[in-house]
Amino acid sequence: QQPVQSPQAVILREGEDAVINCSSSKALYSVHWYRQKHGEAPVFLMILLKGGEQKGHDKISASFNEKKQQSSLYLTASQLSYSGTYFCGTEHTGGYNKLIFGAGTRLAVHP
Amino acid sequence: DTEVTQTPKHLVMGMTNKKSLKCEQHMGHRAMYWYKQKAKKPPELMFVYSYEKLSINESVPSRFSPECPNSSLLNLHLHALQPEDSALYLCASSPGMGEGYEQYFGPGTRLTVT
Repeated sequence: QQPVQSPQAVILREGEDAVINCSSSKALYSVHWYRQKHGEAPVFLMILLKGGEQKGHDKISASFNEKKQQSSLYLTASQLSYSGTYFCGTEHTGGYNKLIFGAGTRLAVHP
Repeated sequence: DTEVTQTPKHLVMGMTNKKSLKCEQHMGHRAMYWYKQKAKKPPELMFVYSYEKLSINESVPSRFSPECPNSSLLNLHLHALQPEDSALYLCASSPGMGEGYEQYFGPGTRLTVT
């Protein structure tokens, strides 16, 4: 039931864009996105809910395709501070706060 | 303030020791969590407390014993751990119980079992 993230790793130059994808084989209620820098805690970025509601970071955008059980995180005009590992966490209906995290996407932004 | 604090930051313990990890939040959140994270892996859910009651136990071995003394505090009692239990232990909290609430993570306790 672990969601599948792609790509596994991305290398960017500052200012470039990236898309990180997350897909599930099971019906989803919500998708959560977190960024974790080395040696630090995961930081909440965004949550996308069934029905279209979104909450989170105003400089990051994401989409949620409920029919395909897929979500994408869009990182535009990347900055050095965007480097880290991005995890999606999926929540199923009746899952009651139970997040299952994908394996992560490692993003490195270079000058 | 979206801060979750955890103590200690680092812990080294022998397999016969008993120790405790502590987590605190003052955001009025009603759900609190323990996760285990191994290097280069995602966090894995261990326990969920909702309104100070244990609501989810992900089949965690009994050598890990959670406790929620009040709505702001969460402890994880450790006893007779194995070297493979060495990991980063993360605490998190969220505003409510039910779907669709974001989780805020503490900095973690890095545990080494010798």
